[in-house]
Amino acid sequence: DTGVSQDPRHKITKRGQNVTFRCDPISEHNRLYWYRQTLGQGPEFLTYFQNEAQLEKSRLLSDRFSAERPKGSFSTLEIQRTEQGDSAMYLCASSLSWDTQYFGPGTRLTVL
Amino acid sequence: GENVEQHPSTLSVQEGDSAVIKCTYSDSASNYFPWYKQELGKGPQLIIDIRSNVGEKKDQRIAVTLNKTAKHFSLHITETQPEDSAVYFCAASRGEYGNKLVFGAGTILRVKS
Repeated sequence: DTGVSQDPRHKITKRGQNVTFRCDPISEHNRLYWYRQTLGQGPEFLTYFQNEAQLEKSRLLSDRFSAERPKGSFSTLEIQRTEQGDSAMYLCASSLSWDTQYFGPGTRLTVL
Repeated sequence: GENVEQHPSTLSVQEGDSAVIKCTYSDSASNYFPWYKQELGKGPQLIIDIRSNVGEKKDQRIAVTLNKTAKHFSLHITETQPEDSAVYFCAASRGEYGNKLVFGAGTILRVKS
């Protein structure tokens, strides 16, 4: 069991560019979550999947954000036309059903 | 929706002393309350959790208490060590009825040696 992994760990981009992050959950965990964390705050829920179905999306997830989990394993989070306000740590977590959520190391996004 | 408030925002203790962090929640349907520790540049790591059917849970130097009537829960760390220095987050969720976590704003714990 290697835990939740995320790639890349850091991403610097210019305003207006698109970025994509990847999350690999703990094997056999059927639920996968995305959270966003800004400096000095707790993580905020963005969306979650049960297997390949996206079951809930936060109002924080604007039209520029899209997440997928095509085969019920890894997930991608894409941000289109990035804005400076998108700068944050993007965290992925996974769980077996509704049980304990285990977090990955996060992807730190900086939008210049 | 659920709102979780956490106090204090910073806490400094001497090595060997105890530390207590408190959280209150607003959604009476919440039934699962985890605590996470986050070190600089890392993701949150679960340290202990409690479900609404118990009032207290202990794991070595760490304990959590839950008062469902008052809608508050607390983290207690005894015999603090320098490696306990980190940011601690409480969270609440409805468990099997919708288990997105709602987090508090965090407590920076500094253990002075």
